[in-house]
Amino acid sequence: AQSVTQPDIHITVSEGASLELRCNYSYGATPYLFWYVQSPGQGLQLLLKYFSGDTLVQGIKGFEAEFKRSQSSFNLRKPSVHWSDAAEYFCAVAPRAGNKLVFGAGTILRVKS
Amino acid sequence: GAGVSQSPSNKVTEKGKDVELRCDPISGHTALYWYRQSLGQGLEFLIYFQGNSAPDKSGLPSDRFSAERTGGSVSTLTIQRTQQEDSAVYLCASSLASGDSYEQYFGPGTRLTVT
Repeated sequence: AQSVTQPDIHITVSEGASLELRCNYSYGATPYLFWYVQSPGQGLQLLLKYFSGDTLVQGIKGFEAEFKRSQSSFNLRKPSVHWSDAAEYFCAVAPRAGNKLVFGAGTILRVKS
Repeated sequence: GAGVSQSPSNKVTEKGKDVELRCDPISGHTALYWYRQSLGQGLEFLIYFQGNSAPDKSGLPSDRFSAERTGGSVSTLTIQRTQQEDSAVYLCASSLASGDSYEQYFGPGTRLTVT
């Protein structure tokens, strides 16, 4: 069965510092990979996705993620965090287009000024 | 354009009552998904519709849960004889089912509280 691991439940970074959120997946083939963000009381917003091709993908709000097949990882990065980035971030996978998403447990990002 | 909408935004019900949650997907999206988000279980898949049929119901936790979709559009998730463990945020998403444009667009959710 597919599984997604986000090893960090909480991360605190200073405003302006760089950020990396980790995501590892377990699946036989390379699935479709996604990062979503959820602000308090809000729905999920897609930050970026990876299907194939260039392993470094750019998303909205200045985020990027790198797919590493050898490590079964899809880590999310941002060079300089803003206070408005404080939210919960979810990594998700789907075996192919149209299938359900399997989510990680989420990482809560706190930004300190 | 309009996104995915869900109603009601909040629902408080007494244990044992039935509830209906509604989802209006993005126009033209053939696929519709229901998920549940709770503190103990995180984000869990419930059911997936392609058109009006549900090829994957594997996430429905019990036979108290059912869902339907009519006209390839609106979907209703029904929970019968609600229990306290049903308290959660129920999220609906829709997508174009295939291709590189595949992504799921989520609604704001319905927060269900069973007292």
